[in-house]
Amino acid sequence: EAQVTQNPRYLITVTGKKLTVTCSQNMNHEYMSWYRQDPGLGLRQIYYSMNVEVTDKGDVPEGYKVSRKEKRNFPLILESPSPNQTSLYFCASSGGYGYTFGSGTRLTVV
Amino acid sequence: AQSVTQPDIHITVSEGASLELRCNYSYGATPYLFWYVQSPGQGLQLLLKYFSGDTLVQGIKGFEAEFKRSQSSFNLRKPSVHWSDAAEYFCAVEGNKLVFGAGTILRVKS
Repeated sequence: EAQVTQNPRYLITVTGKKLTVTCSQNMNHEYMSWYRQDPGLGLRQIYYSMNVEVTDKGDVPEGYKVSRKEKRNFPLILESPSPNQTSLYFCASSGGYGYTFGSGTRLTVV
Repeated sequence: AQSVTQPDIHITVSEGASLELRCNYSYGATPYLFWYVQSPGQGLQLLLKYFSGDTLVQGIKGFEAEFKRSQSSFNLRKPSVHWSDAAEYFCAVEGNKLVFGAGTILRVKS
């Protein structure tokens, strides 16, 4: 089944403790992206990647890092999480005709 | 850069009534257009998409949308709403990246 898999689904962490949210797709898509969703703001793009070793900032990149060492994986790294990064995060991939989204990761930073 | 406006934050309709959710976009060329639905606590589900061709697009769950280039609009419609349609709906436009509107929360009253 074609899918984007995110882990974990839920995460509660403390301020400053580094964390990684994983994202993996099995469709051989070149394009992958991370979004955060906040009430009243819709989904905003954090980072995207056009291909392996090619990443670029989206609209809200501050406080986040990504890497794309292989085509299927696109982890989101929060090196020093802060409470304002409490949000619902979605990973997506695209092969050029629409997007497939993961199930989301609900992150709470206390 | 492209942008999306969903003018209605909340809409309440009676079960069985018709529904129209508004979406206006800004983009210099003809974009790819999408409608997604998100039920509480769930991920994003694609309702329909427009890439080219017929400007009236049929989607899942009885939804349809019409692309009107002259009005830069891509409104979502359903002739008869069911209680299970209560959710948040997002319009999205893809130009050089995928950009979402802020969402419209649909409430259905019985």
